[in-house]
Amino acid sequence: GAGVSQSPSNKVTEKGKDVELRCDPISGHTALYWYRQSLGQGLEFLIYFQGNSAPDKSGLPSDRFSAERTGGSVSTLTIQRTQQEDSAVYLCASSLAYSEQYFGPGTRLTVT
Amino acid sequence: AQSVTQLGSHVSVSEGALVLLRCNYSSSVPPYLFWYVQYPNQGLQLLLKYTSAATLVKGINGFEAEFKKSETSFHLTKPSAHMSDAAEYFCAVSDQQGGKLIFGQGTELSVKP
Repeated sequence: GAGVSQSPSNKVTEKGKDVELRCDPISGHTALYWYRQSLGQGLEFLIYFQGNSAPDKSGLPSDRFSAERTGGSVSTLTIQRTQQEDSAVYLCASSLAYSEQYFGPGTRLTVT
Repeated sequence: AQSVTQLGSHVSVSEGALVLLRCNYSSSVPPYLFWYVQYPNQGLQLLLKYTSAATLVKGINGFEAEFKKSETSFHLTKPSAHMSDAAEYFCAVSDQQGGKLIFGQGTELSVKP
């Protein structure tokens, strides 16, 4: 079946603009995760949704970052007032409850 | 808090040689441990996972890893490297099944002909 998909695959934005990154999880997966991969920081956890529970936002680096998951499926990660240090690959993953995570191809964000 | 240390950011082996990628973890609770592989410009693919069953875990593409609690290690091995194994490998730990993953810094594996 279809895997995790993310859009756009690449995004270039100017410093100070807002961006939205989208993740479509594998159908039926109840858990959804966002991670960030950058040269300086490696792979970092950002936020985690599990079913109808309150999300674990403990990895969000600042209040400029937020995410929502609508209808228990698609998720959008929003970065407000982007900064150059936000440049990274943003990875989304999904899983069945208490099971291994399957990753999407990522969105490469470049802030100029 | 949990953490993962991967020893060696770059490892180079000859084709047919043993592959050994090192991973040490820190966890205050029994850990769940994972190895992921990332090929250029692709997402992460799960190689294998340890979830408190057998300590020797076999994964895809001939890779295996052994959980050693006394050494807090979960090293990844493959008896004979192929050119197609060239990629970046990440070790990760979680404190629960399905929980957030804490990743190591990654090890880039090069395979020489």
